[in-house]
Parts: sequence; structure tokens; C-alpha cells
Amino acid sequence: KNEVEQSPQNLTAQEGEFITINCSYSVGISALHWLQQHPGGGIVSLFMLSSGKKKHGRLIATINIQEKHSSLHITASHPRDSAVYICAPRGSNYKLTFGKGTLLTVNP
Amino acid sequence: GAGVSQSPSNKVTEKGKDVELRCDPISGHTALYWYRQSLGQGLEFLIYFQGNSAPDKSGLPSDRFSAERTGGSVSTLTIQRTQQEDSAVYLCASSFLAGVDTQYFGPGTRLTVL
Repeated sequence: KNEVEQSPQNLTAQEGEFITINCSYSVGISALHWLQQHPGGGIVSLFMLSSGKKKHGRLIATINIQEKHSSLHITASHPRDSAVYICAPRGSNYKLTFGKGTLLTVNP
Repeated sequence: GAGVSQSPSNKVTEKGKDVELRCDPISGHTALYWYRQSLGQGLEFLIYFQGNSAPDKSGLPSDRFSAERTGGSVSTLTIQRTQQEDSAVYLCASSFLAGVDTQYFGPGTRLTVL
């Protein structure tokens, strides 16, 4: 069993839809990162959170440390949001463990 | 510089050769991380530096891999006697302090071992 499980693996949405990507992990963590990778592009860190909720523009990330679960939400999705979203819990030794990613495609 | 830079952007080498990959972190960032992204394997942590020291080398896949950082800035990842399974994109990231700040990723070096 992978230490980090993301769902869904693939997600196709229509522009404007509300998107949720889930991440469950089995390791103890000190924080969790959400990363975005566009096709052929680099990786951008969207959020780093250790509790509660963070919001940046149309993106919202939540985490429940007790339940070892985090979600990434995208409101009013847009085709430019099409990318791979990667969940990465961080242990106390600063090592990131990565999920396999969720490929999001937003159609106009 | 404005962001994390890595060189070369692409490297093709023959099996058995040594390669050196370079990372220039954002100026002032004390923490530096190396990751690998293999086709079908996803991302994996290799090593991180706080200043010039690497407290955790457990992510390095084998003793053919080594990394150093001098002057608290540039880092070099060296792979000796490359194997085909070493083919991957090698990513570097930096942050102001280890563990408490957002990591900024470089564009990566695509290594192909023939």
C-alpha cells in the first residue's frame, strides 16, 4: 500500500465546475504540500499547510491531521487549471513523500 | 537570480559514464532539496541540505549517487557509473529555511542514459 493515496487519478471537468482532489496518507507528518505541474512544465508549490484551511484565489486546501486527510478544491475551474496536482506530506525530517498525482483536465 | 536554475537542462550519456547535475538555488535560501521524477514512478525525495550539511542521505538510491553543496549556495548531484534506470528528470528546490517555508522548484535536468 502506498504511503500517500490520491483520488481521483484522472478528473475531467467542464469550465466553471467545482473540483475536489483528495489525499490520504499513512505516515505521521509535520506539514503537507500541494504541488501543481503543467504538462511539460515545472512544478509550482501551491500550498504548505499543517492544520486547518488555506485559500489562495480560487484554490482552497484543507487538512485534517487526526484523520490523515487533505483536500484541494478549485472553485470556478478554468482550462488553465489543467495540470497534474500532487499531494506531498512532509515528515519531521523534512522529507517529502509524494502521491502519484491527479491529472485534471478542464474543458472549455 | 529570480528563481532556482538547473543545468544542464538535458543530458544524454552512455551507460557507465559519470554525470554532474548542478543547481543554483534562490539567493538567500538556506535549504536545498534534490528530487527525481521517473516515468511511471512519480516523484521521489533524494536528499536535502540545510546550509552545507546534508542531515538525511537515506533517499539516495545507491552509493553511485552523491551530492554536495558548498558556500551554502550551489549544489551538485553526481551520479557515477550511470545505469539506464537512472534516466529521469532530476529536480532541485530551495526554501528560505528547511521545513517551514514553501519550496521553489527549478525546471529540472532531463537525464537519459543510453
